[in-house]
Amino acid sequence: GAGVSQTPSNKVTEKGKYVELRCDPISGHTALYWYRQSLGQGPEFLIYFQGTGAADDSGLPNDRFFAVRPEGSVSTLKIQRTERGDSAVYLCASSSIGGALINEQFFGPGTRLTVL
Amino acid sequence: AQRVTQPEKLLSVFKGAPVELKCNYSYSGSPELFWYVQYSRQRLQLLLRHISRESIKGFTADLNKGETSFHLKKPFAQEEDSAMYYCALTYSGAGSYQLTFGKGTKLSVIP
Repeated sequence: GAGVSQTPSNKVTEKGKYVELRCDPISGHTALYWYRQSLGQGPEFLIYFQGTGAADDSGLPNDRFFAVRPEGSVSTLKIQRTERGDSAVYLCASSSIGGALINEQFFGPGTRLTVL
Repeated sequence: AQRVTQPEKLLSVFKGAPVELKCNYSYSGSPELFWYVQYSRQRLQLLLRHISRESIKGFTADLNKGETSFHLKKPFAQEEDSAMYYCALTYSGAGSYQLTFGKGTKLSVIP
């Protein structure tokens, strides 16, 4: 089956602009995560959705960042008034819920955001 | 707060030599530890998790709670093992099971 997909694969924008990054999780996965990976760093958690609701947004760096998942499937990460420091690869991951083990997170290919 | 440390940014070994990628963590409770791998031009994928106690592609990792370590080992490196390796941690109290990653180690296997 299809894995996690993300669009666009690359996004170049100017400082101060608004951007939207899309994530399409694996069908049936109710858990969805956004991570941000800056150059030379590991992925850093941003936000977690369980179904439609943001169950944990403790990783969002400030109020310029917002994410939605209105129908419990596709999610959009929105960044307002972009800054050069927002340049990074934004990763989306999804997982199923339930069972005895913590479920594996399956990652998308990422969106590389460059803010000029 | 939990933290994962991978002290080596780059590790180069010859084909057939043993490999050990180091990972140390800090967390006071009972974490679950993972190794993720990213091959060139591919997405991040799970390699193994400590709770499964399995060997994947010849790699093993043992959780040492006394030393708070979860080093990844392979007795004989292969060229196809060249990749970025990330150690990651989560814990049941996280609610979201969000992963905390180390900065990664780039493994280069020299033919």
